[in-house]
Amino acid sequence: QSVLTQPPSVSGTPGQRVTISCSGSSSNIGANAGTWYQQLPGTAPKLLIYSNDERASGVPDRFSGSKSGTSASLAISGLQSEDEAEYYCAAWDDSLNGFYVFGSGTKVTVL
Amino acid sequence: QVQLQQWGAGLLKPSETLSLTCTVYGGSLSGYFWSWIRQPPGKGLEWIGEIKFSGGANYNPSLKSRVTISLDTPKNQFSLKLTSVSAADTAVYYCARGRSALDYWGQGTLVTVSA
Repeated sequence: QSVLTQPPSVSGTPGQRVTISCSGSSSNIGANAGTWYQQLPGTAPKLLIYSNDERASGVPDRFSGSKSGTSASLAISGLQSEDEAEYYCAAWDDSLNGFYVFGSGTKVTVL
Repeated sequence: QVQLQQWGAGLLKPSETLSLTCTVYGGSLSGYFWSWIRQPPGKGLEWIGEIKFSGGANYNPSLKSRVTISLDTPKNQFSLKLTSVSAADTAVYYCARGRSALDYWGQGTLVTVSA
């Protein structure tokens, strides 16, 4: 069971805006920056958003991140067919000696 | 352009030791953390651990007793060893650069544990 909770799936039509939530706690998202990854089928994850809201190099500005308290969110505006993928949030967790935790993953489907 | 290329045995028997190596091309180990992550078939991502370029390592508490991550600076490589594997360790294993933001990833290696 993942430390960070995400909805299993989200869907939208082309051009729509969808958001993915990531719920954590005071020891992870509440204390540290949130990160988002996109994973296309059969490929390695790709860094999308770091430091809560900074887009990684080459990431379209359709992708945006935010954080409030112990939750983080990823928004995809102007949804495109190539955005159909699995999305994972992640954050450093300060409990024990500190370790990196991933969310459970959200499948985005473009209808 | 930084590239990570990983390799290692893909089929193990229970109780054997998993051993994977990741070579960094187009960049240096210096100044970065280097991580290992795994993904069981059809499931989510799990962080295994990291090593700092200066050599200090940190592991997932759930795997700490069985994991060792090491550096080979002259070869620009870092490695993962996981002892006493079982079927639960069957996964695609990835190497990656970074700590709180993993910006470069290896291609992934499927490791299957089966008798």
